[in-house]
Amino acid sequence: DAGVIQSPRHEVTEMGQEVTLRCKPISGHNSLFWYRQTMMRGLELLIYFNNNVPIDDSGMPEDRFSAKMPNASFSTLKIQPSEPRDSAVYFCASSLGTTTLIQYFGAGTRLSVL
Amino acid sequence: AQSVSQHNHHVILSEAASLELGCNYSYGGTVNLFWYVQYPGQHLQLLLKYFSGDPLVKGIKGFEAEFIKSKFSFNLRKPSVQWSDTAEYFCAVNGGNYQLIWGAGTKLIIKP
Repeated sequence: DAGVIQSPRHEVTEMGQEVTLRCKPISGHNSLFWYRQTMMRGLELLIYFNNNVPIDDSGMPEDRFSAKMPNASFSTLKIQPSEPRDSAVYFCASSLGTTTLIQYFGAGTRLSVL
Repeated sequence: AQSVSQHNHHVILSEAASLELGCNYSYGGTVNLFWYVQYPGQHLQLLLKYFSGDPLVKGIKGFEAEFIKSKFSFNLRKPSVQWSDTAEYFCAVNGGNYQLIWGAGTKLIIKP
């Protein structure tokens, strides 16, 4: 298996622009997590999907952030409009079910908002 | 609420030194415990896990961790570190739902 695949690996954009991050979970995994990692705040859970349904989005910073999972093999995290404070590494992780708790992480997207 | 504390934010060791990274959690029930490692510029990878059974857990690359329930601890150890162990190490705890509660991470630097 190719593992969790994220794209793009790096994104540089200007303040106010829309940013879309993509994630393909491991085939057969039905739980998907979006995390944000910064020096100041460490690893933060943004949103959790189970069977394509958002279960917990309490970590989403504000309305500028939205996430979708239209099918079992694809998810997006969108920031509109982007701000410099959104600069971070965004990780997607997937796991098999809700009882098998091992999360497998993608390589991350390093976002820089200028 | 559950929380995870990693007391050392930065650790610097010389090669061949022994390593122990502390992890304490707050949760009174049954827990599942994890250590993940993030090498420079890479994603997080599972190093080892404890679900039940022998409280001394062995992971990849010579790492081990001991679950001490009475101390709410799950410290990571390695008898002799190598330069390639330079990375950030994260402890995580699950107390029964889908979430992993993450520690702040410990940056380990090994001097060659």
